[in-house]
Amino acid sequence: GQSLEQPSEVTAVEGAIVQINCTYQTSGFYGLSWYQQHDGGAPTFLSYNALDGLEETGRFSSFLSRSDSYGYLLLQELQMKDSASYFCAVRGFDSGGYQKVTFGTGTKLQVIP
Amino acid sequence: DVKVTQSSRYLVKRTGEKVFLECVQDMDHENMFWYRQDPGLGLRLIYFSYDVKMKEKGDIPEGYSVSREKKERFSLILESASTNQTSMYLCASREGTGNSPLHFGNGTRLTVT
Repeated sequence: GQSLEQPSEVTAVEGAIVQINCTYQTSGFYGLSWYQQHDGGAPTFLSYNALDGLEETGRFSSFLSRSDSYGYLLLQELQMKDSASYFCAVRGFDSGGYQKVTFGTGTKLQVIP
Repeated sequence: DVKVTQSSRYLVKRTGEKVFLECVQDMDHENMFWYRQDPGLGLRLIYFSYDVKMKEKGDIPEGYSVSREKKERFSLILESASTNQTSMYLCASREGTGNSPLHFGNGTRLTVT
């Protein structure tokens, strides 16, 4: 099976940097994704890591270490609009050999002035 | 832009009713998914489909079934709704190849009374 752990809540100050960690267990691994979801909205894709290392997209970066089954999302120059829930998601195999995407329980980020 | 449309934003049903949740995507995506989202539990996969008339159980399929008669449409069926199926239901689609992300609909908030 697949399971992911991430902190439930994080608070950070506007303009600061925040890191949201994710550890996972999976049978078969294709990659780790991050999604953002504002209250009342749909989750939207942020980033994907299939290989070890850092991927940067503007103010957001995502890191993966496959040997540690660990990844993180780094948000820089925080803005009030970054207040949202952030989900890590692992793409792996199910028992039938089909790819499926399993989500963590989400980290609610509150950005304060 | 990919558009994933869920037929209802809010739905109220009575215990024991048969409930249909409809999802349509307009990008000819092969893969479609149904998740439910509950506070503190994140997004949990109910069923998914990789092709027309194909379906695969996710992590919590009990009490649900699905139908995919056409590529663009993926229906979630609650055979006999129960109060513990009160939740936010999210449909998603993705291309069948590569590392393409999930594209989500805006969700259906189902209340079973």
